[in-house]
Amino acid sequence: DVKVTQSSRYLVKRTGEKVFLECVQDMDHENMFWYRQDPGLGLRLIYFSYDVKMKEKGDIPEGYSVSREKKERFSLILESASTNQTSMYLCASARGEPSGANVLTFGAGSRLTVL
Amino acid sequence: GQNIDQPTEMTATEGAIVQINCTYQTSGFNGLFWYQQHAGEAPTFLSYNVLDGLEEKGRFSSFLSRSKGYSYLLLKELQMKDSASYLCAVRDSNYQLIWGAGTKLIIKP
Repeated sequence: DVKVTQSSRYLVKRTGEKVFLECVQDMDHENMFWYRQDPGLGLRLIYFSYDVKMKEKGDIPEGYSVSREKKERFSLILESASTNQTSMYLCASARGEPSGANVLTFGAGSRLTVL
Repeated sequence: GQNIDQPTEMTATEGAIVQINCTYQTSGFNGLFWYQQHAGEAPTFLSYNVLDGLEEKGRFSSFLSRSKGYSYLLLKELQMKDSASYLCAVRDSNYQLIWGAGTKLIIKP
């Protein structure tokens, strides 16, 4: 019944390493999103994509990039990880236009620790 | 700026009723969502309000007052499995979601 799968639940990386977070959805959704979730803060949007090879910056894109080569897969890349990127990363997908009760389906999250 | 406020933590007793409030100030309004997130798990959709009033769905109800910038999530007949964080999110005039920090609900026997 899993619909949004994030490849890694827990990662520990060192400062300066390149980090790939993978997300795959099996619902044929057009839209995919990467958020980070930190204690005491609401979810913050990093990047989103509304179509293959398309990407839009969210509220906090600095230090991140994304790739969407196939409809079902949306990757988040940290080119050079830093300690302030230690966080829980949530991937989500949604169908079509952001109207009505068009809800997000989330993955279980990837907890990244940067040492 | 845009802001969503929710209590950080609430405690309630099994079998009781609890109301989780959410107030918002956003650039426009195109709907309000409640999500439930159990520890270590994905947030899951609970409810959606776009018009004023109460939406009931089983033990859970959600209320919206657009003029007051206010919503609440009402949970009845609380069960231990309702222990979770409850996230309030508002869709603004650009159809972007603005998220509250979440309310951690602790249910005691």
